[in-house]
Amino acid sequence: KAGVTQTPRYLIKTRGQQVTLSCSPISGHRSVSWYQQTPGQGLQFLFEYFSETQRNKGNFPGRFSGRQFSNSRSEMNVSTLELGDSALYLCASSLDAGAGTEAFFGQGTRLTVV
Amino acid sequence: TQLLEQSPQFLSIQEGENLTVYCNSSSVFSSLQWYRQEPGEGPVLLVTVVTGGEVKKLKRLTFQFGDARKDSSLHITAAQPGDTGLYLCAGENTGNQFYFGTGTSLTVIP
Repeated sequence: KAGVTQTPRYLIKTRGQQVTLSCSPISGHRSVSWYQQTPGQGLQFLFEYFSETQRNKGNFPGRFSGRQFSNSRSEMNVSTLELGDSALYLCASSLDAGAGTEAFFGQGTRLTVV
Repeated sequence: TQLLEQSPQFLSIQEGENLTVYCNSSSVFSSLQWYRQEPGEGPVLLVTVVTGGEVKKLKRLTFQFGDARKDSSLHITAAQPGDTGLYLCAGENTGNQFYFGTGTSLTVIP
């Protein structure tokens, strides 16, 4: 079956702009999580959506937001981009909560803010 | 807050050598995953351990979950160049939130 698909793969934006990233989870998976990965900070949790509701949220400013649609596809939006937002943004899908839940990652979207 | 510390941070070894990577935390996790990530790609799941003391083997890789479910180790026997990559551990809390370790960058030299 198809894996997690993220689009676009690469993106270059200017400071102050906004950006929307998309994630299509594995069929049947209802949980989608978003992460920011940078060389200095590693993988940082942004938020998790389950059945169109934000269930968990990391420590990121309000400029970072997301949503999930009824088909479990998710989007992440970053407004008023800053240079420090340059990173690899990863989404992961899983079936549901519970011990042993396995998260499967997409290839990521490489965002460069100039 | 970084809940999971991995050591070593960087490791460069010759092909055929053995190595162990550690993942430590003061928190208890309901499960722990190990991933390998190659440059420009997303992490790929290697294994999930759930029970304290559990040991899982995946060919030349052996994973162990600590008895108290706070730490884990990954041992690679006879490392190959194809094992090169960033190894990440991730602990899952009861709320389906994953906390990732700091990562271990492994280079296996032919």
